[in-house]
Amino acid sequence: RKEVEQDPGPFNVPEGATVAFNCTYSNSASQSFFWYRQDCRKEPKLLMSVYSSGNEDGRFTAQLNRASQYISLLIRDSKLSDSATYLCVVNRGNTPLVFGKGTRLSVIA
Amino acid sequence: NAGVTQTPKFQVLKTGQSMTLQCAQDMNHEYMSWYRQDPGMGLRLIHYSVGAGITDQGEVPNGYNVSRSTTEDFPLRLLSAAPSQTSVYFCASRPRPGTSDGYTFGSGTRLTVV
Repeated sequence: RKEVEQDPGPFNVPEGATVAFNCTYSNSASQSFFWYRQDCRKEPKLLMSVYSSGNEDGRFTAQLNRASQYISLLIRDSKLSDSATYLCVVNRGNTPLVFGKGTRLSVIA
Repeated sequence: NAGVTQTPKFQVLKTGQSMTLQCAQDMNHEYMSWYRQDPGMGLRLIHYSVGAGITDQGEVPNGYNVSRSTTEDFPLRLLSAAPSQTSVYFCASRPRPGTSDGYTFGSGTRLTVV
């Protein structure tokens, strides 16, 4: 079993739609969590950290469920510019970050 | 503040050639890593370093060497290039192990081995 698993998609959604991605992790010792965004042929960029209480940044909301070991990302009012691959990332402390393979999102006009 | 700088951006090598991919960061980050990214495979860790003088292997270290003589630089050496090493290589850094900070990535090196 992979340490971080994501549905690869693609998720094809119309502009203005709400879309949610989930990610599961297997190591209960995981300490911190992130969502990264990667555009085609570009480097991954930090989208947001994920906190236990849940956190929001504009149209983006991240949630963490430690008991079930999953992380979610909700995007409201999708824009064409949201089209990208979204990477779920887990930190176990003094070890390299572990990346999921990513979920591809296409927002269609 | 340049962040993480990778050079070159593109490289074509012949099988058997060696080369060094350069990575430098100016953020005084202790933690640096090298990943390769292939279609459908996601990011795979090659080598990482938790500070100057300290390196360790990741998931796919074979065929690559690293060293960390300074905090700023973390070069990746391909010893004898093979077509299987055709990939996009990303260098990343973060402040120090154990923190809740994420990585900052360089813009990548696109390597083709023919």
